[in-house]
Amino acid sequence: DAGITQSPRHKVTETGTPVTLRCHQTENHRYMYWYRQDPGHGLRLIHYSYGVKDTDKGEVSDGYSVSRSKTEDFLLTLESATSSQTSVYFCAISESGGTTPQHFGDGTRLSIL
Amino acid sequence: GESVGLHLPTLSVQEGDNSIINCAYSNSASDYFIWYKQESGKGPQFIIDIRSNMDKRQGQRVTVLLNKTVKHLSLQIAATQPGDSAVYFCAENPPGENSGYSTLTFGKGTMLLVSP
Repeated sequence: DAGITQSPRHKVTETGTPVTLRCHQTENHRYMYWYRQDPGHGLRLIHYSYGVKDTDKGEVSDGYSVSRSKTEDFLLTLESATSSQTSVYFCAISESGGTTPQHFGDGTRLSIL
Repeated sequence: GESVGLHLPTLSVQEGDNSIINCAYSNSASDYFIWYKQESGKGPQFIIDIRSNMDKRQGQRVTVLLNKTVKHLSLQIAATQPGDSAVYFCAENPPGENSGYSTLTFGKGTMLLVSP
């Protein structure tokens, strides 16, 4: 299995609070991605990174920000969580972007009350 | 908690049967395609990939077929086992305006149920 660790694995928080999810990889892959997965929608890209300090928006980036200060870590922040951001969040990594497989972590289940 | 499998098309097969899961992709410019398997409570797991210059690729017990004319992918699983029960979805790499071929777009998936 690809060396990807997501933390925390589960979190319950209240509307309006900031939340940060962490993705850590040991594969030294250039690309890292954050997705959310909701019933009826499948996996949707939030943000991705193509190198240290290089990030770009995905399909559903509103309300989320990311940072990548080291190759191995990619952080996803919800500045002020809303109930619509209740979801399962997955991190993925790949060597060469969309022309090589993405490998996924086991996800973070986030509930916002 | 809610399952990613809610409201998905479902394919039910008997153990030992061959399974065929289909996927229609959206962008004729995509040049790379992947199949993933996702079990309940876990992240998607890479199964097999194929590039657009190929029509068929085989792995261990799995075969992916690509028909670019009709933008169709299929995943064939031979001698399906109960452990194959999961949600399967395809992904393509449509070229983005700024992202080039850096990202993947995922289908919503098909649930495969294998009975002993």
